[in-house]
Amino acid sequence: DAKTTQPTSMDCAEGRAANLPCNHSTISGNEYVYWYRQIHSQGPQYIIHGLKNNETNEMASLIITEDRKSSTLILPHATLRDTAVYYCIVLSGNYGGSQGNLIFGKGTKLSVKP
Amino acid sequence: DGGITQSPKYLFRKEGQNVTLSCEQNLNHDAMYWYRQDPGQGLRLIYYSQIVNDFQKGDIAEGYSVSREKKESFPLTVTSAQKNPTAFYLCASSIGPRSTDTQYFGPGTRLTVL
Repeated sequence: DAKTTQPTSMDCAEGRAANLPCNHSTISGNEYVYWYRQIHSQGPQYIIHGLKNNETNEMASLIITEDRKSSTLILPHATLRDTAVYYCIVLSGNYGGSQGNLIFGKGTKLSVKP
Repeated sequence: DGGITQSPKYLFRKEGQNVTLSCEQNLNHDAMYWYRQDPGQGLRLIYYSQIVNDFQKGDIAEGYSVSREKKESFPLTVTSAQKNPTAFYLCASSIGPRSTDTQYFGPGTRLTVL
């Protein structure tokens, strides 16, 4: 699976949009981009994933560049409860590939401030 | 409510004792996983199960054992052979075993061995 690079930390004002970047320049054609987050001392929470097209759900939007070498997770109106570590992961779409081994890097620590 | 439950949230044990961590899901998912997380670190896969009565070792299976007698349940036993058992243990499940089948996590069990 391709490696990802994320900033170590970011701050965001409450009520503003939080834009979290992820670089995955070695991504291959059948690899998906997944985002999870982990609030302190809780289990990771799935946010969103995509392959080529931009995706939106009730939690966030995922913008993937045309060359797929980077993506941005957007939390449209950040709240204090969105303070967490956000992980960007690239996963192969092949059946029986990594057998579900989610390799989280360091992630981005997002601090939402009042 | 559908979801994954882990119990207990905090667990204290004396060195040399075996301890079993519970994981139950009512999502009708075939695949289940156990991860370990140490402070400031990502996840490491201990064991996974793609289907009832089948399970496979992950990256750090030594000192751990599992069973999968029912679809809903995937208990993890931390044995006295595990050299450094103090950690945050996370259970996850997914609808199938493909690496791109989204994993959903439980709240975790924090084990402290005294």
